Amino acid sequence: DQQVKQNSPSLSVQEGRISILNCDYTNSMFDYFLWYKKYPAEGPTFLISISSIKDKNEDGRFTVFLNKSAKHLSLHIVPSQPGDSAVYFCAASVSYDKVIFGPGTSLSVIP
Amino acid sequence: DTAVSQTPKYLVTQMGNDKSIKCEQNLGHDTMYWYKQDSKKFLKIMFSYNNKELIINETVPNRFSPKSPDKAHLNLHINSLELGDSAVYFCASSQDGLAKYNEQFFGPGTRLTVL
Repeated sequence: DQQVKQNSPSLSVQEGRISILNCDYTNSMFDYFLWYKKYPAEGPTFLISISSIKDKNEDGRFTVFLNKSAKHLSLHIVPSQPGDSAVYFCAASVSYDKVIFGPGTSLSVIP
Repeated sequence: DTAVSQTPKYLVTQMGNDKSIKCEQNLGHDTMYWYKQDSKKFLKIMFSYNNKELIINETVPNRFSPKSPDKAHLNLHINSLELGDSAVYFCASSQDGLAKYNEQFFGPGTRLTVL
C-alpha cells in the first residue's frame, strides 16, 4: 500500500525553465512533508520541507506547495539548472512516527 | 569530515552467509536509522534507534539485527542471506526522532548483492 506516490518516474526540462515535481499521498494524518534529492551513488540529501499548517514554503530556487484537500504537494524549481539533475524523493510523516518515502522522480535538466 | 559514513560501499556474497554493514555519524545526532532501497527504488525504513534504544522496528525478518554500541554507531547484521536481500542499504541520522523538526542525513549507501 503506497502511502506516498510519485506518478512520474522521470521528467526532462530545459535549462532555465521551471521544473514541477508532483507527489500525492493517501494518509490524511500526515502532517509534515519533505523533499530529498539524490545523486547516483550518494545518499539522499534534504532539500526542503513543509508543515501541514502551511501551504507554501520557499527556499531560493525551490518552492514546495501543499494542497491538503487534494492530498497533493509539488516541488517547483525555478530556474532549473543542469546540476539539479537527480532523483527527487517526496516523503511524509505523522509527528513522532517514521518517514514514508515515495519512489522518486528522476529529473533531467537539459543544457 | 564525512557526516554519515557506511562500510563497505559494496558487498557481494553468497546465499546463506552472514554479513555486517557498519554505520557511523559524527554529527552528534541522537537518532539513527537503517533504510532499504529495493529494486523498485522505494526507500523503506527498517529500524530506528534513539540514544542506543530501539524505537522503530518495521516488519523485517529477524535475520536482520541492528546493534548500537553507542549513539554514534548503528550496525546492521544480516544472518543467512537470501537472494531477496539484494538491495541498497542506507544509514541515516537526525538530531532526534521527530521528523517534524529534523531532516535526516543519509550515508552513501551499501549495495548488497546476494548470489
